[in-house]
Amino acid sequence: SAVISQKPSRDICQRGTSLTIQCQVDSQVTMMFWYRQQPGQSLTLIATANQGSEATYESGFVIDKFPISRPNLTFSTLTVSNLSPEDSSIYLCSGGTLAGEQYFGPGTRLTVT
Amino acid sequence: ILNVEQSPQSLHVQEGDSTNFTCSFPSSNFYALHWYRWETAKSPEALFVMTLNGDEKKKGRISATLNTKEGYSYLYIKGSQPEDSATYLCASRGRNRDDKIIFGKGTRLHILP
Repeated sequence: SAVISQKPSRDICQRGTSLTIQCQVDSQVTMMFWYRQQPGQSLTLIATANQGSEATYESGFVIDKFPISRPNLTFSTLTVSNLSPEDSSIYLCSGGTLAGEQYFGPGTRLTVT
Repeated sequence: ILNVEQSPQSLHVQEGDSTNFTCSFPSSNFYALHWYRWETAKSPEALFVMTLNGDEKKKGRISATLNTKEGYSYLYIKGSQPEDSATYLCASRGRNRDDKIIFGKGTRLHILP
């Protein structure tokens, strides 16, 4: 299976600040995704991270709030900007392989105060 | 838009007992059904991927069945152990090229000693 690491594992941030989450995947992964799980809700896809170009965002998510970079095949960052308590969630990085498998990082638990 | 439902939301099972829970998904345009196990502070772990109606998969004490015509899948755990305590996520993918994996809210399983 693919190895996906993510950091930080958790953070507590103040309202109005930003948090950047880093994700590193191994070479089996070709596609990279970012998900969010708000308390009591489903894992929801935020965007697909595209290498060297703008991410593809799902309905309800915008680049100004969730800027994403993917400078190379194995690394991506997600920034959650202008934090509010509603952004308190678990954020997960995910990688997809050519075989159609999908693997996840351990997640970043964000609490906004 | 796919809507994946899981029940029950939470479940307490005595150690040694067997249990099962349900995932329902729209049967039209179905392509694949995924089951994941997600332990706290760890990555969601892929358990099964199923595509064909009538598929049955088994991994140790855990097994799953798939009915694509009526749009449901069951996950079974035989002889529950403390290490089975986790959230079990179900996700469905549609057949179209741009279809993404859609997750249910999960079933939180607690094994009682």
